[in-house]
Amino acid sequence: ETGVTQTPRHLVMGMTNKKSLKCEQHLGHNAMYWYKQSAKKPLELMFVYSLEERVENNSVPSRFSPECPNSSHLFLHLHTLQPEDSALYLCASSQGQMNTEAFFGQGTRLTVV
Amino acid sequence: GQQLNQSPQSMFIQEGEDVSMNCTSSSIFNTWLWYKQDPGEGPVLLIALYKAGELTSNGRLTAQFGITRKDSFLNISASIPSDVGIYFCAGRMGRGSTLGRLYFGRGTQLTVWP
Repeated sequence: ETGVTQTPRHLVMGMTNKKSLKCEQHLGHNAMYWYKQSAKKPLELMFVYSLEERVENNSVPSRFSPECPNSSHLFLHLHTLQPEDSALYLCASSQGQMNTEAFFGQGTRLTVV
Repeated sequence: GQQLNQSPQSMFIQEGEDVSMNCTSSSIFNTWLWYKQDPGEGPVLLIALYKAGELTSNGRLTAQFGITRKDSFLNISASIPSDVGIYFCAGRMGRGSTLGRLYFGRGTQLTVWP
């Protein structure tokens, strides 16, 4: 069982669709993160949750809506996305919100058509 | 925001050769991390460094935390084909919700020819 599991691995959605990405961590960590990875760009931090409370939101458009129901699960709800939102979305977790040694999931490759 | 300058952007080497890459920042960091990412996968943590001057190895990989605390180096000895991938550096400035966040370099794409 891997430490951080993301589903689905691949997702193709239309601009009017609503979908959700799921992340689950089995490491006993109490902080979870969403990152966006686009081609030829550094990893972009989107959201940080610590003890299930959002502590950082880096000016992400409202069409991305995170949810953290407990310390093991993190969701990213998507609606009315744009083609430029196509990217690899990575979930990570760490012990403590200081993002010390963050462990990543395998990512969801999202394509918006 | 904070930027990490990672170089080189890409490397093409022969199997068996040694590899060196580095990361620099304009600010002092108190943690440096090195990750490797295979195609279609998430980054995997290779080495974590917490003290200036620290030299840490993980098999054929060796990383160093620069004395100035503004840089870090990763060396791979005797490269093999499975070393292919993108290597990322990441740094953390300090404690506190904003200061504690990780900043990532743009990555070094490594290609190893057999």
